[in-house]
Amino acid sequence: KNQVEQSPQSLIILEGKNCTLQCNYTVSPFSNLRWYKQDTGRGPVSLTIMTFSENTKSNGRYTATLDADTKQSSLHITASQLSDSASYICVVSDTGGFKTIFGAGTRLFVKA
Amino acid sequence: NAGVTQTPKFRILKIGQSMTLQCTQDMNHNYMYWYRQDPGMGLKLIYYSVGAGITDKGEVPNGYNVSRSTTEDFPLRLELAAPSQTSVYFCASSHGLAGGINEQFFGPGTRLTVL
Repeated sequence: KNQVEQSPQSLIILEGKNCTLQCNYTVSPFSNLRWYKQDTGRGPVSLTIMTFSENTKSNGRYTATLDADTKQSSLHITASQLSDSASYICVVSDTGGFKTIFGAGTRLFVKA
Repeated sequence: NAGVTQTPKFRILKIGQSMTLQCTQDMNHNYMYWYRQDPGMGLKLIYYSVGAGITDKGEVPNGYNVSRSTTEDFPLRLELAAPSQTSVYFCASSHGLAGGINEQFFGPGTRLTVL
């Protein structure tokens, strides 16, 4: 069964600290993996998109990594800011493009 | 350029009532989607459209209907509202198939409660 599992479910960190969010998937055959940021009461916004051949991609203070062999991805946030408080969603698609599985997300709280 | 807009933002329905959730995009995207997001769960695809006049079922289509008469609009219809349809609904659009490397753009969502 195609699944996307994210951990932790929620995380509290102090402003200025780094953190890493995890995503494990079983979607096969794999096409691409995306990370989204979803602010409370808003729709998801794309952070990064990675295909099979890419193992790292950055977007400002956000860096995503992908290990297609172990079917794992991580999202690293550097020097966190209060505005980073949001849910981060991992999304994996198969090569056909019609099977896209959304993870349940990690809820990040950044405290001053 | 407003992106993807949705109306209403909030709605409370009684069991058995019907309503239409509106979605409009101004990016000339061919692909449009409706998702629902339940607490603690990932987004689930309800219906999608690959162009005007073409729609297809997603993972959880029961209890919903859609139409796509124009490129811009993709309304979602609930005919007989049930408590199980209490959720947050997101409309999205993309230039190409979202399962590929095309970025999906999401609307702000409609929070629906069925009592």
